[in-house]
Amino acid sequence: DAGITQSPRHKVTETGTPVTLRCHQTENHRYMYWYRQDPGHGLRLIHYSYGVKDTDKGEVSDGYSVSRSKTEDFLLTLESATSSQTSVYFCAIRDGGSSYNSPLHFGNGTRLTVT
Amino acid sequence: AQTVTQSQPEMSVQEAETVTLSCTYDTSESDYYLFWYKQPPSRQMILVIRQEAYKQQNATENRFSVNFQKAAKSFSLKISDSQLGDAAMYFCAYRSPVLNYGGSQGNLIFGKGTKLSVKP
Repeated sequence: DAGITQSPRHKVTETGTPVTLRCHQTENHRYMYWYRQDPGHGLRLIHYSYGVKDTDKGEVSDGYSVSRSKTEDFLLTLESATSSQTSVYFCAIRDGGSSYNSPLHFGNGTRLTVT
Repeated sequence: AQTVTQSQPEMSVQEAETVTLSCTYDTSESDYYLFWYKQPPSRQMILVIRQEAYKQQNATENRFSVNFQKAAKSFSLKISDSQLGDAAMYFCAYRSPVLNYGGSQGNLIFGKGTKLSVKP
């Protein structure tokens, strides 16, 4: 299994509070991604990173920010959580040095509930 | 923009039987990559199989195989000799050609998933 750790595994927070989710990898992979999973929507890309301090927006980036100060860590921040951000959040990594068909490897997800 | 459609929200199969999950996609690109991921109740996302569009031969991985029809933009997953452990959500995903110097960065576009139940 790819060395990806997401923390926390579960979190309940109140509307309006800031929340940071962490993704840590031990694979030294260049690419990291944050997805959210909601019933009826599959997985949708929030933000991704293609190197230290290099990030870009995905399909559903509004209300989220990210940071990557080290290769191994990719942080997702909800500046002011809303109920619509209740979801399961997945981090994924990909080895940019491998072949073009290299798959994404996923962490075990963080279930976030905003009350 | 590319889209992925899984038209079967739920499917059921008898243990030891064969089941086929459907996936269609929309793209104007000629080269791309397709994937099937499995998500059991543990929530873990597990790669099942992958296919490069330029390869005509259908990919196989043990009991899992695909029927890739490029002209029809169809990428179905066949599970043979179904086992209780195959019960899960299955997601079809599409990737544009990766451009390591910019542009697409290997992101996957997912379908909404098919929930597969296996009856003993």
